[in-house]
Amino acid sequence: QVKLLQSGAALVKPGASVKMSCKASGYTFTDYWVSWVKQSHGKSLEWIGEIYPNSGATNFNEKFKGKATLTVDKSTSTAYMELSRLTSEDSAIYYCTRSGFGVDYWGQGVMVTVSS
Amino acid sequence: DIQMTQSPSFLSASVGDRVTINCKASQNINRYLNWYQQKLGEAPKLLIYNANSLQTGIPSRFSGSGSGTDFTLTISSLQPEDVATYFCLQHNSWPYTFGAGTKLELK
Repeated sequence: QVKLLQSGAALVKPGASVKMSCKASGYTFTDYWVSWVKQSHGKSLEWIGEIYPNSGATNFNEKFKGKATLTVDKSTSTAYMELSRLTSEDSAIYYCTRSGFGVDYWGQGVMVTVSS
Repeated sequence: DIQMTQSPSFLSASVGDRVTINCKASQNINRYLNWYQQKLGEAPKLLIYNANSLQTGIPSRFSGSGSGTDFTLTISSLQPEDVATYFCLQHNSWPYTFGAGTKLELK
């Protein structure tokens, strides 16, 4: 079955960066885009962007350009997202998802807390 | 960006009730609309894709309808395990955008 296993929670200082991982299994990693979604506490969901593992092509929400960098390692079926210049506004849960029919399968989420 | 207006924000219903949740898109999104269920502390789960297709493993009491700008998620007979927040997502054009969510509780 399709699984997306994300890395653990992160506590980071303002101005720093954080890189999280998403290991895919149960399907051919290079056949589907991987999207990332932000869920701020008590708020709705925001689509950050997506990457196509086969080519590395990306599409981004303009709001997150310059904030998020998406990469993949095809050899390990793992997608990565790095968030830079973190502020309190970046404290949230971040999900990786498989982009099938929009978004179908979701990882368990990574809670990022930005605090000094 | 396409705005998704979801209603109601909050819904209280009894076991066995028929429940409907709506999403309205700010422009035509054809049938590229998904519905998700998110239980407390869990990741969202896909219920309906492309407006009216039931995801594998989802109970048949869930159904979706609509096209263009107006969409509806229906739970035909509410069960206790359906207590959750429900979101819609448009994937017609980038950036994909979500509705603000409907919190469903038991009366």
